Order: sequence, then structure tokens, then C-alpha cells
Amino acid sequence: QITLKESGPPLVKPTQTLALTCTFSGFSLTTSGVGVGWVRQPPGEALEWLALIHSDNDKRYSPSLKSRLTITKDASKNQVVLTMTNMDSVDTATYYCVYRRPGTYQLDYWGQGALVTVSS
Amino acid sequence: QSVLTQPPSVSAAPGQKVTISCSGSSSNIGIAYVSWYQQLPGAAPKLLIYDSDKRPSGIPDRFSGSKSGTSATLGITGLQTGDEANYYCGTWDTRLNAGVFGGGTKLTVL
Repeated sequence: QITLKESGPPLVKPTQTLALTCTFSGFSLTTSGVGVGWVRQPPGEALEWLALIHSDNDKRYSPSLKSRLTITKDASKNQVVLTMTNMDSVDTATYYCVYRRPGTYQLDYWGQGALVTVSS
Repeated sequence: QSVLTQPPSVSAAPGQKVTISCSGSSSNIGIAYVSWYQQLPGAAPKLLIYDSDKRPSGIPDRFSGSKSGTSATLGITGLQTGDEANYYCGTWDTRLNAGVFGGGTKLTVL
């Protein structure tokens, strides 16, 4: 059974750096081709794909946010961390951690989401 | 502005059929499989269709997917009030080298 859970600060100030941790179970990030990523959703708005990291440490980022994002993994801890710099009010959103099976396009499993509010 | 284009809303009566379109380009839908996600109110999205037309285990066969050229379609038959949700299409974009989603479609079962 695959589960993912996001954790991080619910409130950050403008210009600060956000660090979100995804802790997962039911699979290993050492398995070839596995991917773990992040998707966000501002309140009342659409999903936005952010980043993905594969078991071989290959990383992909949204072109519009690439300069602000960093995704890393610690396979021994079953964790993936997303950092986003220079936070702004428009970054207020629910951030979801997602799992992608090897060799596929779809996002098979989603975490419950973590709401992050950017406000002074 | 989403890379994939969906109608903002669709509606139909219980028991009826509805289709939701998703339009893209040669760098995404035209070359990659499409997936569909259902997001019930207050919940995280859930995978509904993958590889354009396959259903994960546990998804009823009332839900179907298809793809033709640079467009994809989600079909739902035998509509139930429990199907009221936002539906998103997604795929990989080879030009952006990133995942992309549609803007979402709100389904109302009248």
C-alpha cells in the first residue's frame, strides 16, 4: 500500500524560503524508474505541476518556476524535499506530493496535501 | 493559463452521459499518454484514467478515456450525484520537459 504525506510550515512570510517534506511508504526510491514529485493548487484554482525526481536522481522542474525550486531525495529515509525560494502571496496553495510508477506518465498516488499560506 | 485546454464546466442529469474534452498540442497530447484525475470537494486528486484509456483497479467502467491526435476525452456514463467533482487531464510535455495539466472541468449532476 503506497502512501505519501506532506509536512511543512503552514505559514511563511513573503521573501522567505519554503521547505516541504514528503514522507512515503509502500515503495522505495531506489527502485529503478520510480518518481516522486510535487503538484500545487491555489485555493479555487487548477492544479500546477512543479517538480519530479527519479530514483537515478534525474530532476525535472516547471520551466516557469525552475529558478526558485530545488527537489532532493533521501532514499534511506523515504523522503523527498521541495524547497521554493522567495515566497510570495501568489504561492499560497495546497501542495501535494505525488508518486509515479516507472516508465509511466501518470501520477498514480497523491498525498493528502499541505496548505501553505504566504502572509506577513 | 494552463497548457491543456478543458471546458470550465459541464452538466447533465443523473443516469445520463457526459464527455469532457482536453485539447493540447504535438508536444504533449500528440506524443504522450493522457491521464485523468478526479478531485472530489475537499479531497486530493485521484487517478481515474491512465495511458489515455486504461482504468486503475477499483475505478468503475462507467469511466472511459480516449485520445485522438492532440485531443483527449473523458466519458462518464450512468451519472451519479457522487460524480460531482472537478476533473483534470494531465500529460507530459516534451518541449517543456515537464508535466502539464488542464485547467479543470467542474461536473455538475443536476
